[in-house]
Amino acid sequence: GENVEQHPSTLSVQEGDSAVIKCTYSDSASNYFPWYKQELGKGPQLIIDIRSNVGEKKDQRIAVTLNKTAKHFSLHITETQPEDSAVYFCAAIPGLGTSYDKVIFGPGTSLSVIP
Amino acid sequence: GAGVSQSPSNKVTEKGKDVELRCDPISGHTALYWYRQRLGQGLEFLIYFQGNSAPDKSGLPSDRFSAERTGESVSTLTIQRTQQEDSAVYLCASSLAAGNSYEQYFGPGTRLTVT
Repeated sequence: GENVEQHPSTLSVQEGDSAVIKCTYSDSASNYFPWYKQELGKGPQLIIDIRSNVGEKKDQRIAVTLNKTAKHFSLHITETQPEDSAVYFCAAIPGLGTSYDKVIFGPGTSLSVIP
Repeated sequence: GAGVSQSPSNKVTEKGKDVELRCDPISGHTALYWYRQRLGQGLEFLIYFQGNSAPDKSGLPSDRFSAERTGESVSTLTIQRTQQEDSAVYLCASSLAAGNSYEQYFGPGTRLTVT
């Protein structure tokens, strides 16, 4: 089955700098890759997602890139702010729209933005 | 509209007792997930319900854990003969899981403490 790895497990950046979190997946059939942000004491929330027919997607200060050949995708946060501090989870769905549409999460990255 | 709700928000129980956790998904969402999250850790998949298909129980850690879902509505997660290692936050998420919408909406979680 699908396996998602995520690096680094912890990341500290200065406010205003960029942060990059990288994930790899094992199942080449995976075709949907969401990213979730979990703030302290809350459930995760979707912040951006990308489908396998797209190489890059941006939404203001966040962007996600996908390399299907290498089976990895990354989250980029630019101009980081203290409120970006949270745990970020990447995920993959092996078969969007099929019976294999269970979401597989990575282990998470704890991001700290230092004012 | 209403999001995913979970009850109770906190539960303290004695070792050996049974507990029942409840999840009310967003109306119309066919997919429902249960996760366990230990302090400072990632999302541990427990069980996945999708419509009328047989649930994916591959994440349940032992036969003390079980879950039910009636149709596309409420789900209950039952832990029998609780152990201290069951202490964690139990998160429920629901998803439309169709068309262009595979976003998971998480509830606030139930914090379970086994003494």
